[in-house]
Amino acid sequence: DTGVSQDPRHKITKRGQNVTFRCDPISEHNRLYWYRQTLGQGPEFLTYFQNEAQLEKSRLLSDRFSAERPKGSFSTLEIQRTEQGDSAMYLCASSLGSSTLSGNTIYFGEGSWLTVV
Amino acid sequence: AQKVTQAQTEISVVEKEDVTLDCVYETRDTTYYLFWYKQPPSGELVFLIRRNSFDEQNEISGRYSWNFQKSTSSFNFTITASQVVDSAVYFCALFFSGGYNKLIFGAGTRLAVHP
Repeated sequence: DTGVSQDPRHKITKRGQNVTFRCDPISEHNRLYWYRQTLGQGPEFLTYFQNEAQLEKSRLLSDRFSAERPKGSFSTLEIQRTEQGDSAMYLCASSLGSSTLSGNTIYFGEGSWLTVV
Repeated sequence: AQKVTQAQTEISVVEKEDVTLDCVYETRDTTYYLFWYKQPPSGELVFLIRRNSFDEQNEISGRYSWNFQKSTSSFNFTITASQVVDSAVYFCALFFSGGYNKLIFGAGTRLAVHP
């Protein structure tokens, strides 16, 4: 299966600890997205990469959050000094786009559930 | 402002009933895309359909059909002869141009299909 892969699927951490999630997009997809979803809500955009460049960040992404995509392939999302409000599912998605106007299909992974206790 | 509204929070039907999930969107862009995703309990968002703003043809795929009407800014989704496996949360989403490479999701509609 060559879909979007996320790791770990579940993470329980104590408040104040750092956590890192990894995303492997569909091979050859140049666009990668991170979203956050809380219970009963739709996913909310966090950030977007085109190849290795991080082109957009949401105001939801506080200074404690950082995302990288060092070689334009996999991506990591790190949350420092976690807070209980960070508990959510973090979804990664990818697509193949050649221009800003291209609305190519965006495929999502299974998500990484974070619980901060 | 860009916005997607799914007014139905939860829908409950009995197997074999037809069900329509409503989606209303707001955008000032003339070029945009609309998506439907299915989210089963496992959490993964499963892509169902993508429609661009210049194509108002309705689409049918098996038991699924979509009705796109720009005049009312709606992109409704109908499941014919529903099955228990259709039970999930369904999200409508808007992807628009203007430098914003992101999907704006509605709050979702939880569909429960009972035997």
